[in-house]
Amino acid sequence: GAVVSQHPSWVICKSGTSVKIECRSLDFQATTMFWYRQFPKQSLMLMATSNEGSKATYEQGVEKDKFLINHASLTLSTLTVTSAHPEDSSFYICSAREISGARGEQYFGPGTRLTVT
Amino acid sequence: SQKIEQNSEALNIQEGKTATLTCNYTNYSPAYLQWYRQDPGRGPVFLLLIRENEKEKRKERLKVTFDTTLKQSLFHITASQPADSATYLCALENSGGYQKVTFGTGTKLQVIP
Repeated sequence: GAVVSQHPSWVICKSGTSVKIECRSLDFQATTMFWYRQFPKQSLMLMATSNEGSKATYEQGVEKDKFLINHASLTLSTLTVTSAHPEDSSFYICSAREISGARGEQYFGPGTRLTVT
Repeated sequence: SQKIEQNSEALNIQEGKTATLTCNYTNYSPAYLQWYRQDPGRGPVFLLLIRENEKEKRKERLKVTFDTTLKQSLFHITASQPADSATYLCALENSGGYQKVTFGTGTKLQVIP
């Protein structure tokens, strides 16, 4: 149980284009999903907290107009990187918490490797 | 400023020995602390959670200790195996927080056959 999927697993796009990444909880419902970014040999940095049916909460320094988050249902959150640039190339990881789950435990997706050329 | 520090140097250990990883934090009042395993190119996998009022937690070959006075957690893997080789991350959520979990930089463990 408690599986989180991400799609795509990797994507290469040209500078200036937009890329959408999907995060799904497959066998549980998640009121809250999180989006992280991880650069090589660095830790996960929280970008935003996504709540179903409401606006996402962005961390300081993360542009909400560039990283659009939509938590459309209890099992799906999407991250759209708009007008991507090479510096946006990174490993994007989502996580989710079960509605009834123990406080703290998050289930992570496998990650999406974004390369902007 | 708030910090979560893990040994950035890789830890190499012989198979069968106990691996001990350290997580120190400053300017946090964590409600609990978590440990995750991350393999290259993959998302983290939850291992253990320990609450602020717990001293020790065990799960199979894993043991976590939590000392809120020292502001430190130790993560032990007994009878280590090459399959345990990975990066291990500690993570904190402050008490009273809005579910924000902050991760340390991780320690890479290499178990040598």
